Amino acid sequence: EAGVTQFPSHSVIEKGQTVTLRCDPISGHDNLYWYRRVMGKEIKFLLHFVKESKQDESGMPNNRFLAERTGGTYSTLKVQPAELEDSGVYFCASSRGSVAEYFGPGTRLTVT
Amino acid sequence: QKEVEQDPGPLSVPEGAIVSLNCTYSNSAFQYFMWYRQYSRKGPELLMYTYSSGNKEDGRFTAQVDKSSKYISLFIRDSQPSDSATYLCAMSDAFASGTYKYIFGTGTRLKVLA
Repeated sequence: EAGVTQFPSHSVIEKGQTVTLRCDPISGHDNLYWYRRVMGKEIKFLLHFVKESKQDESGMPNNRFLAERTGGTYSTLKVQPAELEDSGVYFCASSRGSVAEYFGPGTRLTVT
Repeated sequence: QKEVEQDPGPLSVPEGAIVSLNCTYSNSAFQYFMWYRQYSRKGPELLMYTYSSGNKEDGRFTAQVDKSSKYISLFIRDSQPSDSATYLCAMSDAFASGTYKYIFGTGTRLKVLA
């Protein structure tokens, strides 16, 4: 069974640019989570999808972040425009049940 | 004050030692407790999760939850160099909040010396 995949693995962009991160969950997993780790801090929840619906987006920092999950399959997280404080590692996780079981390797975003 | 506190380490132990990793928390509504292992440049890997109080054992790993003290532990028996990683605790008040938002500790770096 293929794991959770994320693309790109690393992205370097300038402040003000737009970046789109992609997550492909394990096939059949209805639950998809986005988390972020800013350097030196703990991993923080961003949002939770159940199929294509946003179950909880209370962790999204502001309206520069937009997450979508088309058809309940892959998900994208767009940051527009990017700010310096958006730098960090963005993780996606998926599961059949409520526990975030399988994490992807993360996308390391650097905003300069 | 953070909702979940975890000593960042690093914690260095000799091979074969019993390792104790701990987290404290402040939210008494937390019901789900997870432990993840994360190797460098990889995503977290779920090791164990428990619901409410009690112990859970899986091979060399034992998770304990003491809700009265708001304290959780992960014990690793017969530690191996391959156990060297960062260990993250995470917890959720799913029933209280109606969502599955997990609050993570900062992680403890463990080094098992051969």
